[in-house]
Amino acid sequence: AIQMTQSPSSLSADVGDRVTITCRASQAISNNFAWFQQQPGKAPKLLIHSGSTLQSGVPPRFSGSGFGTDFALTITGLHPEDSATYYCLQKFSFPYTFGQGTRLEI
Amino acid sequence: EVQLMESGGGSAQAGGSLTLSCLASGFTLSIYSMGWVRQAPGKGLEWLAYIGSGGIRYYADSVKGRFSVSRNDPQNSIYLQISGLRDEDTAVYYCVRDPVLSGLDSWGQGTLVTVSS
Repeated sequence: AIQMTQSPSSLSADVGDRVTITCRASQAISNNFAWFQQQPGKAPKLLIHSGSTLQSGVPPRFSGSGFGTDFALTITGLHPEDSATYYCLQKFSFPYTFGQGTRLEI
Repeated sequence: EVQLMESGGGSAQAGGSLTLSCLASGFTLSIYSMGWVRQAPGKGLEWLAYIGSGGIRYYADSVKGRFSVSRNDPQNSIYLQISGLRDEDTAVYYCVRDPVLSGLDSWGQGTLVTVSS
């Protein structure tokens, strides 16, 4: 199975800051990659798919980049509601695999 | 509006079986691949199973042989049968829509399964 290594595991930032979360795949996965946000007590929500495509309705302060093995989620201009746990997912091959998550505290 | 609603969770005995259901609405289920993801208390997300629109199925290595995913498109439902329940199956189970060229773009609210030994 493809392993997804996400970092950091947690971070703290202030309103208005810019943060970047990274995810590395154990083998090349093209752009079959997604980012999710999970707020406490809620179901995860798709933010970015195909590596860098913003899901409909997601604010443009979220952006994704990367191809192959290295991917990044950047949030530019943090809002208080961005406090959540973020997960990456590879959909290149079965079994799909998630990263271990990054807890973002605002 | 796309909606997924899981049911069938609850308390169960270790070694027993359980079937989770997911009722889909707001879209044509038959043309979509679907799946299941779970989250143990305080832990991260774990992908479990996939069922394609044509019925092909894939599973996580950790649940292969114990979990079985199925679908009934006329009833707008997918199912997850779990057998040989273990303590580590205690989790919230989410039903997800899995479009081909996208992420897991819709999630249910989840159903909690608690396994006691």
